[in-house]
Amino acid sequence: ETGVTQTPRHLVMGMTNKKSLKCEQHLGHNAMYWYKQSAKKPLELMFVYSLEERVENNSVPSRFSPECPNSSHLFLHLHTLQPEDSALYLCASSRQAPGGLTPKEQFFGPGTRLTVL
Amino acid sequence: KNQVEQSPQSLIILEGKNCTLQCNYTVSPFSNLRWYKQDTGRGPVSLTIMTFSENTKSNGRYTATLDADTKQSSLHITASQLSDSASYICVVSAYYPGGYNKLIFGAGTRLAVHP
Repeated sequence: ETGVTQTPRHLVMGMTNKKSLKCEQHLGHNAMYWYKQSAKKPLELMFVYSLEERVENNSVPSRFSPECPNSSHLFLHLHTLQPEDSALYLCASSRQAPGGLTPKEQFFGPGTRLTVL
Repeated sequence: KNQVEQSPQSLIILEGKNCTLQCNYTVSPFSNLRWYKQDTGRGPVSLTIMTFSENTKSNGRYTATLDADTKQSSLHITASQLSDSASYICVVSAYYPGGYNKLIFGAGTRLAVHP
């Protein structure tokens, strides 16, 4: 166990449904991330919540909406998804040091396997 | 363009044998390089993380090397075990002044260890 938990582990939804993915970290980290992993493709960074990082990914469609109510919890709200959004969605967390020069190792959760019908 | 390329795409070895995975990158400005192991259907787990000044780092049977001049890294697995069967992902971090980090992921090498 890495200290990062995700629920649900598996989710099947229709294109008109609204669902949310949840991530919780128990490591005292102050940065959290959402990644998408499609079959045979590199991990795609979707969103970052951190004081010192921002995401350079304008390709994430608006049907994905993140929410980070505090440093331990992260949500990904889903609505009107498309079949091509079917993938493994991974959450990660890290400890951000001031100045940004320290390697920021990320700890990943087990992922949510999402299938959009 | 920042890129991370890994080779081979897939590899099959016999239990007990050694293997080496390669990672070439064109990321600038370079901050650090990480190797992750990802079991099927699970999240990646960190193996090593190296900064510019480090050229080798070990984690049990895993040894990573970094040549910042040629922008190459390798992950050497010694005395492979069946549990080593997984995808191995190389990730390079670019750091920009002001605290902005961008992570560039390789496509991974899928390793299968057979008895």
